[in-house]
Amino acid sequence: EAQVTQNPRYLITVTGKKLTVTCSQNMNHEYMSWYRQDPGLGLRQIYYSMNVEVTDKGDVPEGYKVSRKEKRNFPLILESPSPNQTSLYFCASSLTGGGFTEAFFGQGTRLTVV
Amino acid sequence: GQQLNQSPQSMFIQEGEDVSMNCTSSSIFNTWLWYKQDPGEGPVLLIALYKAGELTSNGRLTAQFGITRKDSFLNISASIPSDVGIYFCAGQSDTSGSRLTFGEGTQLTVNP
Repeated sequence: EAQVTQNPRYLITVTGKKLTVTCSQNMNHEYMSWYRQDPGLGLRQIYYSMNVEVTDKGDVPEGYKVSRKEKRNFPLILESPSPNQTSLYFCASSLTGGGFTEAFFGQGTRLTVV
Repeated sequence: GQQLNQSPQSMFIQEGEDVSMNCTSSSIFNTWLWYKQDPGEGPVLLIALYKAGELTSNGRLTAQFGITRKDSFLNISASIPSDVGIYFCAGQSDTSGSRLTFGEGTQLTVNP
Protein backbone atom coordinates (compact mmCIF):
# COMPACT_ATOMS: atom_id res chain seq x y z
CA GLU A 1 0.00 0.00 0.00
CA ALA A 2 1.33 3.43 -0.98
CA GLN A 3 1.85 5.49 2.12
CA VAL A 4 3.78 8.06 4.10
CA THR A 5 4.63 6.81 7.59
CA GLN A 6 5.53 9.04 10.50
CA ASN A 7 6.75 8.02 13.93
CA PRO A 8 5.92 8.56 16.65
CA ARG A 9 2.25 9.57 16.42
CA TYR A 10 2.37 11.24 19.83
CA LEU A 11 5.33 12.63 21.77
CA ILE A 12 5.63 14.56 25.00
CA THR A 13 9.08 15.89 25.78
CA VAL A 14 10.85 18.48 27.90
CA THR A 15 12.42 21.72 26.77
CA GLY A 16 15.91 21.26 25.40
CA LYS A 17 15.86 17.49 24.93
CA LYS A 18 16.78 16.66 21.35
CA LEU A 19 14.25 14.63 19.41
CA THR A 20 13.76 13.20 15.94
CA VAL A 21 10.51 12.53 14.13
CA THR A 22 10.93 10.01 11.36
CA CYS A 23 9.19 10.02 7.99
CA SER A 24 9.31 7.33 5.37
CA GLN A 25 7.54 6.94 2.02
CA ASN A 26 7.31 3.84 -0.17
CA MET A 27 6.29 5.53 -3.42
CA ASN A 28 9.79 6.41 -4.71
CA HIS A 29 8.82 10.08 -4.52
CA GLU A 30 11.52 12.67 -5.08
CA TYR A 31 9.92 15.54 -3.20
CA MET A 32 9.34 15.42 0.57
CA SER A 33 8.42 18.12 3.03
CA TRP A 34 7.50 18.82 6.64
CA TYR A 35 4.60 20.98 7.80
CA ARG A 36 3.35 22.11 11.14
CA GLN A 37 -0.32 22.70 11.78
CA ASP A 38 -1.50 25.18 14.38
CA PRO A 39 -5.07 26.32 15.08
CA GLY A 40 -6.13 29.14 12.78
CA LEU A 41 -2.88 29.04 10.81
CA GLY A 42 -3.41 26.09 8.51
CA LEU A 43 -0.36 24.15 7.40
CA ARG A 44 2.97 25.92 7.22
CA GLN A 45 5.98 24.39 5.54
CA ILE A 46 9.08 23.89 7.69
CA TYR A 47 11.58 22.31 5.29
CA TYR A 48 11.45 20.53 2.00
CA SER A 49 13.69 18.30 -0.07
CA MET A 50 13.72 18.10 -3.86
CA ASN A 51 15.82 14.92 -3.84
CA VAL A 52 18.52 13.06 -1.96
CA GLU A 53 21.00 15.44 -0.30
CA VAL A 54 18.97 18.48 -1.47
CA THR A 55 17.08 20.30 1.28
CA ASP A 56 15.83 23.86 1.67
CA LYS A 57 13.99 26.04 4.14
CA GLY A 58 10.27 26.49 4.02
CA ASP A 59 8.28 29.26 5.65
CA VAL A 60 9.02 28.45 9.31
CA PRO A 61 12.41 26.66 9.53
CA GLU A 62 13.73 28.18 12.77
CA GLY A 63 14.48 25.57 15.42
CA TYR A 64 14.35 22.63 13.02
CA LYS A 65 16.80 20.57 10.99
CA VAL A 66 16.27 17.90 8.36
CA SER A 67 18.35 15.44 6.40
CA ARG A 68 17.79 13.45 3.21
CA LYS A 69 20.40 10.73 2.99
CA GLU A 70 18.06 8.29 1.27
CA LYS A 71 15.16 8.89 -1.06
CA ARG A 72 12.57 7.25 1.16
CA ASN A 73 13.43 8.91 4.51
CA PHE A 74 13.19 12.51 5.61
CA PRO A 75 13.59 12.89 9.38
CA LEU A 76 12.76 16.11 11.22
CA ILE A 77 15.17 17.01 14.01
CA LEU A 78 14.55 19.38 16.90
CA GLU A 79 17.95 19.97 18.49
CA SER A 80 16.62 21.92 21.45
CA PRO A 81 12.81 21.86 21.50
CA SER A 82 10.93 24.75 23.05
CA PRO A 83 7.26 25.04 24.09
CA ASN A 84 6.43 27.12 20.99
CA GLN A 85 7.22 24.04 18.92
CA THR A 86 4.26 22.25 20.44
CA SER A 87 2.23 21.49 17.36
CA LEU A 88 0.88 18.86 15.00
CA TYR A 89 3.48 17.89 12.42
CA PHE A 90 2.92 16.35 9.00
CA CYS A 91 5.32 14.84 6.55
CA ALA A 92 4.32 14.82 2.89
CA SER A 93 5.76 13.47 -0.34
CA SER A 94 5.05 13.94 -4.01
CA LEU A 95 6.35 12.33 -7.15
CA THR A 96 8.58 15.00 -8.54
CA GLY A 97 9.88 18.44 -7.83
CA GLY A 98 9.91 19.25 -11.54
CA GLY A 99 6.33 19.45 -12.71
CA PHE A 100 3.95 19.73 -9.80
CA THR A 101 2.13 16.65 -8.53
CA GLU A 102 -0.18 16.11 -5.63
CA ALA A 103 1.22 15.73 -2.13
CA PHE A 104 0.46 12.68 0.02
CA PHE A 105 0.47 13.20 3.75
CA GLY A 106 1.40 11.07 6.71
CA GLN A 107 -0.96 10.65 9.65
CA GLY A 108 0.73 13.30 11.76
CA THR A 109 2.83 13.55 14.92
CA ARG A 110 1.39 15.47 17.84
CA LEU A 111 4.31 16.96 19.75
CA THR A 112 4.02 18.58 23.17
CA VAL A 113 7.05 20.34 24.64
CA VAL A 114 6.77 21.15 28.35
CA GLY B 1 5.49 34.45 1.76
CA GLN B 2 2.37 33.96 -0.27
CA GLN B 3 -0.94 33.79 1.55
CA LEU B 4 -4.26 32.21 0.84
CA ASN B 5 -7.42 33.54 2.42
CA GLN B 6 -9.91 30.76 2.97
CA SER B 7 -13.49 31.35 4.00
CA PRO B 8 -15.53 30.70 5.89
CA GLN B 9 -13.46 29.59 8.87
CA SER B 10 -16.25 27.34 10.09
CA MET B 11 -19.68 26.17 8.98
CA PHE B 12 -22.50 24.47 10.83
CA ILE B 13 -25.07 22.92 8.51
CA GLN B 14 -27.87 20.40 8.49
CA GLU B 15 -27.52 17.08 6.73
CA GLY B 16 -28.67 17.38 3.13
CA GLU B 17 -27.67 21.02 2.70
CA ASP B 18 -25.18 22.19 0.10
CA VAL B 19 -21.90 23.77 1.17
CA SER B 20 -19.62 26.25 -0.52
CA MET B 21 -16.19 27.47 0.53
CA ASN B 22 -13.53 29.44 -1.29
CA CYS B 23 -9.94 30.58 -1.34
CA THR B 24 -8.50 33.78 -2.69
CA SER B 25 -4.96 34.96 -3.21
CA SER B 26 -3.21 38.14 -4.18
CA SER B 27 -0.84 36.04 -6.32
CA ILE B 28 -1.46 33.95 -9.39
CA PHE B 29 -1.43 30.20 -8.88
CA ASN B 30 -0.84 27.44 -11.45
CA THR B 31 -2.41 24.66 -9.43
CA TRP B 32 -5.19 24.56 -6.88
CA LEU B 33 -5.75 21.58 -4.61
CA TRP B 34 -8.49 20.82 -2.13
CA TYR B 35 -7.79 18.53 0.82
CA LYS B 36 -9.95 17.14 3.61
CA GLN B 37 -8.59 16.35 7.06
CA ASP B 38 -10.46 14.01 9.37
CA PRO B 39 -9.81 14.29 13.11
CA GLY B 40 -6.49 12.71 14.03
CA GLU B 41 -5.49 12.11 10.42
CA GLY B 42 -3.41 13.77 7.74
CA PRO B 43 -4.97 15.74 4.87
CA VAL B 44 -6.27 13.65 1.98
CA LEU B 45 -6.47 15.05 -1.53
CA LEU B 46 -10.02 15.56 -2.83
CA ILE B 47 -9.63 17.44 -6.09
CA ALA B 48 -6.73 18.86 -8.11
CA LEU B 49 -7.14 21.71 -10.61
CA TYR B 50 -4.50 22.58 -13.19
CA LYS B 51 -6.10 25.03 -15.62
CA ALA B 52 -7.76 28.40 -15.22
CA GLY B 53 -11.52 27.99 -15.59
CA GLU B 54 -11.36 24.24 -14.98
CA LEU B 55 -14.38 22.75 -13.24
CA THR B 56 -13.87 19.28 -11.79
CA SER B 57 -16.19 16.96 -9.89
CA ASN B 58 -15.51 14.07 -7.56
CA GLY B 59 -18.81 12.54 -6.51
CA ARG B 60 -20.74 15.18 -4.56
CA LEU B 61 -17.76 17.53 -4.63
CA THR B 62 -17.18 20.13 -7.31
CA ALA B 63 -14.25 22.54 -7.46
CA GLN B 64 -13.35 25.31 -9.86
CA PHE B 65 -10.09 27.04 -10.73
CA GLY B 66 -10.92 30.74 -11.02
CA ILE B 67 -10.42 32.39 -14.38
CA THR B 68 -8.13 35.03 -12.86
CA ARG B 69 -6.00 32.20 -11.36
CA LYS B 70 -6.28 33.93 -8.00
CA ASP B 71 -9.17 32.00 -6.54
CA SER B 72 -10.88 28.65 -6.26
CA PHE B 73 -14.05 27.32 -4.72
CA LEU B 74 -15.24 23.96 -3.46
CA ASN B 75 -18.89 22.93 -3.34
CA ILE B 76 -20.30 19.91 -1.52
CA SER B 77 -23.81 18.93 -2.45
CA ALA B 78 -26.31 17.07 -0.24
CA SER B 79 -23.98 16.94 2.75
CA ILE B 80 -23.83 13.85 4.96
CA PRO B 81 -22.42 13.41 8.49
CA SER B 82 -19.15 11.91 7.23
CA ASP B 83 -18.40 15.19 5.44
CA VAL B 84 -17.39 16.56 8.84
CA GLY B 85 -13.78 17.66 8.95
CA ILE B 86 -11.43 20.47 8.02
CA TYR B 87 -11.17 21.40 4.36
CA PHE B 88 -8.00 23.04 3.10
CA CYS B 89 -7.25 24.74 -0.15
CA ALA B 90 -3.66 24.77 -1.35
CA GLY B 91 -1.98 26.48 -4.25
CA GLN B 92 1.24 26.24 -6.17
CA SER B 93 2.72 29.06 -8.23
CA ASP B 94 5.54 29.64 -10.68
CA THR B 95 7.63 31.28 -7.99
CA SER B 96 7.10 28.55 -5.41
CA GLY B 97 8.39 25.57 -7.39
CA SER B 98 6.89 22.45 -5.87
CA ARG B 99 5.99 24.21 -2.64
CA LEU B 100 2.39 24.43 -1.61
CA THR B 101 0.77 27.33 0.19
CA PHE B 102 -2.20 26.35 2.34
CA GLY B 103 -5.29 28.23 3.39
CA GLU B 104 -6.25 28.36 7.06
CA GLY B 105 -8.92 25.71 6.64
CA THR B 106 -12.72 25.54 6.89
CA GLN B 107 -14.09 23.49 9.78
CA LEU B 108 -17.32 21.82 8.62
CA THR B 109 -19.87 20.42 11.05
CA VAL B 110 -22.88 18.53 9.73
CA ASN B 111 -25.81 17.99 12.05
CA PRO B 112 -27.82 14.83 11.35
